[in-house]
Amino acid sequence: TQLLEQSPQFLSIQEGENLTVYCNSSSVFSSLQWYRQEPGEGPVLLVTVVTGGEVKKLKRLTFQFGDARKDSSLHITAAQPGDTGLYLCAGAKNNDMRFGAGTRLTVKP
Amino acid sequence: GAGVSQTPSNKVTEKGKYVELRCDPISGHTALYWYRQSLGQGPEFLIYFQGTGAADDSGLPNDRFFAVRPEGSVSTLKIQRTERGDSAVYLCASSLNSYNEQFFGPGTRLTVL
Repeated sequence: TQLLEQSPQFLSIQEGENLTVYCNSSSVFSSLQWYRQEPGEGPVLLVTVVTGGEVKKLKRLTFQFGDARKDSSLHITAAQPGDTGLYLCAGAKNNDMRFGAGTRLTVKP
Repeated sequence: GAGVSQTPSNKVTEKGKYVELRCDPISGHTALYWYRQSLGQGPEFLIYFQGTGAADDSGLPNDRFFAVRPEGSVSTLKIQRTERGDSAVYLCASSLNSYNEQFFGPGTRLTVL
């Protein structure tokens, strides 16, 4: 059983569309991170959210941390083929990190 | 500057053999993590070092898995009597301390035949 549940597991959209992916848990985290991973590489950190209700924007990406610090969402506006990849959320608890299974996003040109 | 490096990049071994996977963290990073990632899954936590000591090894699946970091820098993940189910990408990450961003290496793809 995953500590962090990510949905959807797979998402395939056309270039220019908007999308939201979710990361949910019954646990409270001190912080939550979103990573993007491409084939053959390790995950690369996109953002860290710490405060309940926090919203962070990174160009076309908007990240939100739930008020109770148990869940998070990632919204991408006007998706591009370069956004294709595996999006992972990870919750920090007791000095270590637990990852979700990820959302595999494909953006078709 | 140099990132996290892992060697070998690929390792093919036979069932029952012993393997060692190496991780060179970013210089000065005190925290080091090992994860295992199976196809289509997120990284699964194995063990976390703070300095030379294993602060949390609760993710090691069984006693065939062991990891060391004798000088607080390079770490080696050791797997004894490998099984086909051990096949996965083994990722290493380091961070300045346990509360900072983790920087991942490219992983070692282990295949047990």
